[in-house]
Amino acid sequence: NAGVMQNPRHLVRRRGQEARLRCSPMKGHSHVYWYRQLPEEGLKFMVYLQKENIIDESGMPKERFSAEFPKEGPSILRIQQVVRGDSAAYFCASSQGRDNEQFFGPGTRLTVL
Amino acid sequence: AQSVAQPEDQVNVAEGNPLTVKCTYSVSGNPYLFWYVQYPNRGLQFLLKYITGDNLVKGSYGFEAEFNKSQTSFHLKKPSALVSDSALYFCAVRDIVSGTYKYIFGTGTRLKVLA
Repeated sequence: NAGVMQNPRHLVRRRGQEARLRCSPMKGHSHVYWYRQLPEEGLKFMVYLQKENIIDESGMPKERFSAEFPKEGPSILRIQQVVRGDSAAYFCASSQGRDNEQFFGPGTRLTVL
Repeated sequence: AQSVAQPEDQVNVAEGNPLTVKCTYSVSGNPYLFWYVQYPNRGLQFLLKYITGDNLVKGSYGFEAEFNKSQTSFHLKKPSALVSDSALYFCAVRDIVSGTYKYIFGTGTRLKVLA
């Protein structure tokens, strides 16, 4: 049973470009959470999605950030017009249900030049 | 507001000695608590969780944690540390107030086990 997969593992973008981060949850999991980890800090919640629905996006910056989890395919975290402050590790976690424990992917490390 | 605190940025311990990584929490209602470990450039690996029941929770790799309601603590322990235990450890509480059950993480404690 494959774990949570994220790609790319490393992403380099120049200021003003777009970054697309993908997360494939574990088989049978329909709940996806995105977290951001700044250097030397803990993980901060960004958004919680179930298939085709955003349940809680209280941790997402109001501008430039969006997330989706379509019926088919991976969850996507999109950052438009990236800035240097967006450089971080972005982790995705999935669970069978909101009561179940979350399993984390290996993360995508975004570097904005 | 629900939160966890990890008061130590770093803990050093000699190989073979017992280790403790501290975590205190502040929650409304019953706490759902977790410990995760992160190795360099890797994701988080689940170690153990407390939902209800016995105050001493056993987890992966020989780790255990003691839930103490009166002290609002959930310290991670291991009787005999290994060099390979050196990593970043995160305590987390599940936010049930908002209804989304997202995790709220502490800032992490770096464990260094010296040979």
